[in-house]
Amino acid sequence: KQEVTQIPAALSVPEGENLVLNCSFTDSAIYNLQWFRQDPGKGLTSLLLIQSSQREQTSGRLNASLDKSSGRSTLYIAASQPGDSATYLCAVGIYNQGGKLIFGQGTELSVKP
Amino acid sequence: NAGVMQNPRHLVRRRGQEARLRCSPMKGHSHVYWYRQLPEEGLKFMVYLQKENIIDESGMPKERFSAEFPKEGPSILRIQQVVRGDSAAYFCASSPLTGTEAFFGQGTRLTVV
Repeated sequence: KQEVTQIPAALSVPEGENLVLNCSFTDSAIYNLQWFRQDPGKGLTSLLLIQSSQREQTSGRLNASLDKSSGRSTLYIAASQPGDSATYLCAVGIYNQGGKLIFGQGTELSVKP
Repeated sequence: NAGVMQNPRHLVRRRGQEARLRCSPMKGHSHVYWYRQLPEEGLKFMVYLQKENIIDESGMPKERFSAEFPKEGPSILRIQQVVRGDSAAYFCASSPLTGTEAFFGQGTRLTVV
């Protein structure tokens, strides 16, 4: 059974810092891995999608990597801003199960001005 | 493209009433997924549908919950005889193909009083 774990559960940093959020999964048979952002009381915004054949994806100040063999992904945020404050969710798409996603518990990020 | 549309955004029901949650996927998307986010918990998969077919309902509670995605119109998640424990945020996601990027709606926040 696939399990997804995110560390740390919460993180507080001063503005301008570079930071790394971690995601690990137990079964390497995945279609893809997706990082989302969720603001309080809001829906999920897709940040980056990494297909199982890819090693990383970049969008602006965000970079996500995927190491299937070790069951790990990291989300790197460069030059953090207060507007980055949100909960970041990692989700893996399960191979041969129609694309349903298994989510981690999330990392709650607070960037202080 | 309007994105994934869910309504209502907020729904209050008394114990024993029925709740109907609606989801219109993005244009061109034929895969619909429902997830539930209980307070202080992560998102959990409930059901995966394609037009007129339930593909995977392994995450649905066995009683009182049902889902459909008719040939015409939105997908509906129906909860009969709601109980306090059904209070949660219910999210719908859609994708054009299996294993591709999933886009989420803003969610319906159900409160059972």
